[in-house]
Amino acid sequence: GQNIDQPTEMTATEGAIVQINCTYQTSGFNGLFWYQQHAGEAPTFLSYNVLDGLEEKGRFSSFLSRSKGYSYLLLKELQMKDSASYLCAVRGFSGGYNKLIFGAGTRLAVHP
Amino acid sequence: DTEVTQTPKHLVMGMTNKKSLKCEQHMGHRAMYWYKQKAKKPPELMFVYSYEKLSINESVPSRFSPECPNSSLLNLHLHALQPEDSALYLCASSQDAVRSETQYFGPGTRLLVL
Repeated sequence: GQNIDQPTEMTATEGAIVQINCTYQTSGFNGLFWYQQHAGEAPTFLSYNVLDGLEEKGRFSSFLSRSKGYSYLLLKELQMKDSASYLCAVRGFSGGYNKLIFGAGTRLAVHP
Repeated sequence: DTEVTQTPKHLVMGMTNKKSLKCEQHMGHRAMYWYKQKAKKPPELMFVYSYEKLSINESVPSRFSPECPNSSLLNLHLHALQPEDSALYLCASSQDAVRSETQYFGPGTRLLVL
């Protein structure tokens, strides 16, 4: 079956670095995505990993280890506007087709 | 341009009403999706359209009826909904439904069923 785990909540200080972990079990892994979602708004795409290693995009980096079923999202130089939910989503094979399965999300609160 | 638009932003309807949600994208994407999201929960896939044909129905009740008039438009027709159907309904699109293409989400329609 499909299973995605990430912490429910995290807090961090403005200007600091935070790492949000995601572990997954899936059939036919075909990519891992991170989305940011502010309360009441749509998820916005942050990053995509399909091969092992680190992908860096400005203040955000995402890492993937397929053998460990593990990913993390690293946010540097935190800003207040980074307070949001961060969704880990895995594209896998389920029910006969590829689909995107979302984790429950990690609510990040950034405080001054 | 990675914009997906949805209308209306908010919708309140009674259990006997018929309403429709609309979604539009002009990125040339050939796959479009409907998701349902309850508060503090992740999005749950409802339907997938690939090249204007329904390819995935995640056992969604028939009171939800999707329609894809053309490659840019996706509708969700609602009839005889229940209060537990109140949620944020998200539309998304991607280049292709088969390969690992990034899905881009619209702002959603917040639905309240009374």
